[in-house]
Amino acid sequence: GAVVSQHPSWVICKSGTSVKIECRSLDFQATTMFWYRQFPKQSLMLMATSNEGSKATYEQGVEKDKFLINHASLTLSTLTVTSAHPEDSSFYICSAKRGSTDTQYFGPGTRLTVL
Amino acid sequence: AQSVAQPEDQVNVAEGNPLTVKCTYSVSGNPYLFWYVQYPNRGLQFLLKYITGDNLVKGSYGFEAEFNKSQTSFHLKKPSALVSDSALYFCAVREGYDNNDMRFGAGTRLTVKP
Repeated sequence: GAVVSQHPSWVICKSGTSVKIECRSLDFQATTMFWYRQFPKQSLMLMATSNEGSKATYEQGVEKDKFLINHASLTLSTLTVTSAHPEDSSFYICSAKRGSTDTQYFGPGTRLTVL
Repeated sequence: AQSVAQPEDQVNVAEGNPLTVKCTYSVSGNPYLFWYVQYPNRGLQFLLKYITGDNLVKGSYGFEAEFNKSQTSFHLKKPSALVSDSALYFCAVREGYDNNDMRFGAGTRLTVKP
């Protein structure tokens, strides 16, 4: 149990376009989902936390208008990178947990390359 | 705020030998500690966690970790390393078990050589 999927696993897009990444909890209902960004050979940087039906809470320095997060259901959260630029190229990882005391379970990640 | 430190960027061990990946933490309250493993181009897989109780925690794939409050450490161990254990390992801490704010260490790359 506690499987989290992400789609797509990798995406290449042109500069200026928008890209949507989906994160799904396959066998549980996720009250809270998280979005992380990971640069090569670095740790995970938390971008935002979202609770189902509520607006996401963004970490300091993360542009909420650029990284749109929607957590419309207990099994789905989406991250949309708007007007992507090459510096947005990164590995984006989501995670989810069932309740406030649960372990976080991570998705397999999405590699975004912006040309 | 809570934080974790993984003092070693890289750990190399021979297959069959014991391995240790170090982690120290800093919190003002009770620590809730986690270990995750990441294989290339993959997300993180949960290995084990310490919440309360026995200081020695057993997890997936034969890994275990020992919580040491006096040394504020939570080192990951395995008695006999496998080549397939080669991966990137992250230690993480939450202050308060129902806290969403989990902080990750920088990661330690473990290489197990045949």
